[in-house]
Amino acid sequence: LAKTTQPISMDSYEGQEVNITCSHNNIATNDYITWYQQFPSQGPRFIIQGYKTKVTNEVASLFIPADRKSSTLSLPRVSLSDTAVYYCLVPVGSGNTGKLIFGQGTTLQVKP
Amino acid sequence: DAGVIQSPRHEVTEMGQEVTLRCKPISGHNSLFWYRQTMMRGLELLIYFNNNVPIDDSGMPEDRFSAKMPNASFSTLKIQPSEPRDSAVYFCASRKEGSGNTIYFGEGSWLTVV
Repeated sequence: LAKTTQPISMDSYEGQEVNITCSHNNIATNDYITWYQQFPSQGPRFIIQGYKTKVTNEVASLFIPADRKSSTLSLPRVSLSDTAVYYCLVPVGSGNTGKLIFGQGTTLQVKP
Repeated sequence: DAGVIQSPRHEVTEMGQEVTLRCKPISGHNSLFWYRQTMMRGLELLIYFNNNVPIDDSGMPEDRFSAKMPNASFSTLKIQPSEPRDSAVYFCASRKEGSGNTIYFGEGSWLTVV
């Protein structure tokens, strides 16, 4: 019952920029958009979170258009170690009682 | 700072046995989540707590599953009796109030029921 839709898989090559887009048409006014990364045999790890426009940290950038119905995670110059599953997350419900339900995620395969 | 701590890391048990998974959230975090992950069903939210109170347990598969959070630093997920289809990785995660959707996961408990 995730509120998000994202591509199931993507391929890229080392050194390229990768953009993964997520649709969240029913996002609520107060909802943040959060992205996680999961490596095999590990729990998901927080990457970046945003509310509007653009957010950048040392790992990635997050672009959110004005209508907030989608968001794009941008990974600059990926390496083999960026091969992982990437999840876009928007709460189901509101505020601190919102349920954090993960969708199927996007499996990114980085090739040499 | 210590992250979310889960135990056991790995458990193999026989069908019908009771299984108890434990979680210590990050100090100062007031929300705790239990997830289950399998290849077939992905990452499923089982139950979550705010300030030690269960908020939503609609993801708990059936009455064989129960979860408690007696205090802010400890939670358990119990399966009794266990079945082979319960084999999965069980993750605990915690969140600090005011941090949006930023949750921190433990390393998981890998459960195999034979």
